[in-house]
Amino acid sequence: EAGVTQSPTHLIKTRGQQATLRCSPISGHTSVYWYQQALGLGLQFLLWYDEGEERNRGNFPPRFSGRQFPNYSSELNVNALELEDSALYLCASSFPTGHNQPQHFGDGTRLSIL
Amino acid sequence: DQQVKQNSPSLSVQEGRISILNCDYTNSMFDYFLWYKKYPAEGPTFLISISSIKDKNEDGRFTVFLNKSAKHLSLHIVPSQPGDSAVYFCAASEGNYGQNFVFGPGTRLSVLP
Repeated sequence: EAGVTQSPTHLIKTRGQQATLRCSPISGHTSVYWYQQALGLGLQFLLWYDEGEERNRGNFPPRFSGRQFPNYSSELNVNALELEDSALYLCASSFPTGHNQPQHFGDGTRLSIL
Repeated sequence: DQQVKQNSPSLSVQEGRISILNCDYTNSMFDYFLWYKKYPAEGPTFLISISSIKDKNEDGRFTVFLNKSAKHLSLHIVPSQPGDSAVYFCAASEGNYGQNFVFGPGTRLSVLP
């Protein structure tokens, strides 16, 4: 069974640019989650998508947005990039909520802002 | 304010001995708890979970204990192996809807041969 896949592995941008990160969930998983892990910090919840809808978002500004496609894959978009956006962005997927389900993570996209 | 705390940034254990990783939480509404392991350059890997209706869950060498009154959980690894060396994250969520896992900062476990 293929795990959660994320692309690209690394992304280098400059301040003010826009970044798009992609995630494909495990087959059968309809929920996709995005997390940010800045250097030396834990995982911070960003966004949760389920059945194409944004269900919840963490304490991040609106320039962090995303979407989920009919095949349940997802994109995370970060506009007007700032230096502090440099971090590892992790995507996770799970079976539909309503039951206690673990989230399964991809290996992340390392975003570096120059 | 950190809702999930892992007060030990690092832990070293001899191979074959028990590793005990601790986690404390402040939100009494949390009812589902998980442990993840993370190697460098990889995403976190799910290890074991426990719901608040239990106080212990075991899976092979890994056992998680939950003390709801103390808002404390721990992960026991017996016996510890060098391949267990990684960063371990504790996570918690509230309710059946909206699995916004709150993660602790992690504990780096080093298992020495």
